[in-house]
Amino acid sequence: GQNIDQPTEMTATEGAIVQINCTYQTSGFNGLFWYQQHAGEAPTFLSYNVLDGLEEKGRFSSFLSRSKGYSYLLLKELQMKDSASYLCAVLDSNYQLIWGAGTKLIIKP
Amino acid sequence: IAGITQAPTSQILAAGRRMTLRCTQDMRHNAMYWYRQDLGLGLRLIHYSNTAGTTGKGEVPDGYSVSRANTDDFPLTLASAVPSQTSVYFCASSSEGGGNEQFFGPGTRLTVL
Repeated sequence: GQNIDQPTEMTATEGAIVQINCTYQTSGFNGLFWYQQHAGEAPTFLSYNVLDGLEEKGRFSSFLSRSKGYSYLLLKELQMKDSASYLCAVLDSNYQLIWGAGTKLIIKP
Repeated sequence: IAGITQAPTSQILAAGRRMTLRCTQDMRHNAMYWYRQDLGLGLRLIHYSNTAGTTGKGEVPDGYSVSRANTDDFPLTLASAVPSQTSVYFCASSSEGGGNEQFFGPGTRLTVL
């Protein structure tokens, strides 16, 4: 079967750094996405990795290791508005997205 | 304003009733998708369409049907609603299928009693 694992919930302090991990076992791999979803709202795109390594985009970075079936999303200089769920999704061999259940990130002042 | 709209925003429906959720995008995207999101589970793909005139089944298609008569509209129909179809439904689109960023509509919260 196909499986995406992420921690259910994480807590971090405003101004700090947090790393959200995602491990996956899927039938094929054609890329990994991270989305942000605020409570009661739609998911919005953060990043896409298809090759190994780190992609940096402002305060957010995403890392991929295909051999380990592993990715992480790194959020720096945390702000209260970063309180949200972060969804990891893998594009499988059929080019369909398989989604993790999401990690709820709570930011404390 | 370019984007995706969904209607209704929320709906309470009696079991056994027929219901169509509407989705319209004005970005001229070829691919469109319907997902359901349930607490504790990831988004699950119901149906998709890679281009107007074609549709495909996702992970959880049973009890749902879709049509794609034109590029902009992708309605989702529940022929005879059941309580297990209580969920938040998101429509999404991307310029092409595959590894392209998906843009999501605001969602429809559906409760089947």
